[in-house]
Amino acid sequence: QKEVEQNSGPLSVPEGAIASLNCTYSDRGSQSFFWYRQYSGKSPELIMFIYSNGDKEDGRFTAQLNKASQYVSLLIRDSQPSDSATYLCAVGSNYKLTFGKGTLLTVNP
Amino acid sequence: GAGVSQSPSNKVTEKGKDVELRCDPISGHTALYWYRQSLGQGLEFLIYFQGNSAPDKSGLPSDRFSAERTGGSVSTLTIQRTQQEDSAVYLCASSPGTSQETQYFGPGTRLLVL
Repeated sequence: QKEVEQNSGPLSVPEGAIASLNCTYSDRGSQSFFWYRQYSGKSPELIMFIYSNGDKEDGRFTAQLNKASQYVSLLIRDSQPSDSATYLCAVGSNYKLTFGKGTLLTVNP
Repeated sequence: GAGVSQSPSNKVTEKGKDVELRCDPISGHTALYWYRQSLGQGLEFLIYFQGNSAPDKSGLPSDRFSAERTGGSVSTLTIQRTQQEDSAVYLCASSPGTSQETQYFGPGTRLLVL
């Protein structure tokens, strides 16, 4: 069974700090990797996707992928209170995404 | 340019009743997905449509659950003889239709079975 593991948190960081969110996955055949943000009571919204090993940067967000270690991470620089949410890691194989249970991030002003 | 829409946004029903949940995907998206999210839990895959056919129904929890899609667009998830454990948020997502693509989520339907 394909599994995606995330630390449930909560992860608490001060405003302006770097938040580091981690995810491991079991299926070596996974091809695509996504980070979604979910505010309480809302649906998931896409933050970033990454397909190749290495880093991918988009504004304050950097996704990192290491397929050999089956590890994907999300770094949030200059964290803001508005970043407080649950972050879901999703791993894709063909059409299907498998989601982790999410890490709750709290950014303290 | 509208996103994925779902209706109703909230549904309260009595145990044993049937419910229908509707999803309208992004225009032109051929792939459509249903997920379920229980309180404090991750997203549980239910079913995947490519066009009007459902190549993967493996996540449907029981034969009380069924889904259809017509005209390659709107999809309906039906839960028959609802049980209290069916209470959850039901999320629909769509994507353009090839592999490795981002799924875009609707706002969800909150179902409460009393």
